[in-house]
Amino acid sequence: GQQLNQSPQSMFIQEGEDVSMNCTSSSIFNTWLWYKQDPGEGPVLLIALYKAGELTSNGRLTAQFGITRKDSFLNISASIPSDVGIYFCAGPPNTGNQFYFGTGTSLTVIP
Amino acid sequence: EAGVAQSPRYKIIEKRQSVAFWCNPISGHATLYWYQQILGQGPKLLIQFQNNGVVDDSQLPKDRFSAERLKGVDSTLKIQPAKLEDSAVYLCASSLDSGMNLFFGPGTRLTVL
Repeated sequence: GQQLNQSPQSMFIQEGEDVSMNCTSSSIFNTWLWYKQDPGEGPVLLIALYKAGELTSNGRLTAQFGITRKDSFLNISASIPSDVGIYFCAGPPNTGNQFYFGTGTSLTVIP
Repeated sequence: EAGVAQSPRYKIIEKRQSVAFWCNPISGHATLYWYQQILGQGPKLLIQFQNNGVVDDSQLPKDRFSAERLKGVDSTLKIQPAKLEDSAVYLCASSLDSGMNLFFGPGTRLTVL
């Protein structure tokens, strides 16, 4: 299967700080999605990106579809305690419609 | 709109036993996915259905895992016999069509002793 690498693997930040994380792939992707997973729950969709260079915001979240189509970035501004969780990138490579997930970035926000 | 339903939420079995998980996708969603998520890792695709046909099962351990989606709606995933390394959360997801946004159920946490 596809390998999507996310960095950093984990982050510990103070409440109010901004957060940046990224996702890279060896293959070109048609769509990039960012999900958040809370303990004991399934992932929930945060943002969807559909074309190279696209920059999309959802409240305090901003995500970008990389120009090379092999990477994507997620930024969270002014973090709050409820931002705690694991963030996954995901998407279908241009070779098919199967959905693959990244390795995840664990975020801890210290009040 | 009701979300993706899964049952049971938790299951504890001994190795070599059998277990089955059930998933009811969002109404009208043609594509259904089963993922395995081992603690500390991202979800790994096991099998993808388009209506009642299999699109991709390349990562399904077919010697012990099986899945079906009769009538293109509900789906069951079975493990027989279970091994210790099968301990994981099994997530079901659905989407309107292939390549579109996935909506996940709460998952079934399996512990194999």
